[in-house]
Amino acid sequence: GIQVEQSPPDLILQEGANSTLRCNFSDSVNNLQWFHQNPWGQLINLFYIPSGTKQNGRLSATTVATERYSLLYISSSQTTDSGVYFCAVERFINQGGKLIFGQGTELSVKP
Amino acid sequence: DGGITQSPKYLFRKEGQNVTLSCEQNLNHDAMYWYRQDPGQGLRLIYYSQIVNDFQKGDIAEGYSVSREKKESFPLTVTSAQKNPTAFYLCASSFLGAISYNEQFFGPGTRLTVL
Repeated sequence: GIQVEQSPPDLILQEGANSTLRCNFSDSVNNLQWFHQNPWGQLINLFYIPSGTKQNGRLSATTVATERYSLLYISSSQTTDSGVYFCAVERFINQGGKLIFGQGTELSVKP
Repeated sequence: DGGITQSPKYLFRKEGQNVTLSCEQNLNHDAMYWYRQDPGQGLRLIYYSQIVNDFQKGDIAEGYSVSREKKESFPLTVTSAQKNPTAFYLCASSFLGAISYNEQFFGPGTRLTVL
């Protein structure tokens, strides 16, 4: 099956710094989502981005489907950005939304 | 308030008992999903349902059962056959459109601990 790899596994930043998280996937996909899991376990939707570039405030994401990777950019990081960031992909349309998750990047932002 | 609710938030179970986790959504979503998360890991799909009275096994269905009698509800039963049930369980839902726009949204989760 499709493999999803995220890097780096852990990241420690000083408040105000910028960061880039990467998600590589081993086959073509028709759905890619980025999530932020907060310390209470809630998964928060960041982006639905099977291709192209999107921005939402200090966060932006780019997916290059032909090269099978996606990047999540966090600018001017804040302590509330801490948590785990997951990338998840769906391979086929008729799989009914079966998302395959990466292992996540654990981000810690220090004041 | 639209959203996905899960109950209970925490659940403790003795070995050999079956327990049922609740998941309800009022987003009028077609599909619903159950995922399991172990510490330090990503999520893995247990079961999913695209339509009422139909559901499909995911990657780790052994020891679990589900039902989909109503569009809004997708309860998960963790049976005594599940060898290692202690985990964080997340329910999700999505539309299923012709353009495959099926962005998934998640509930707050249930933490199950087997004593």
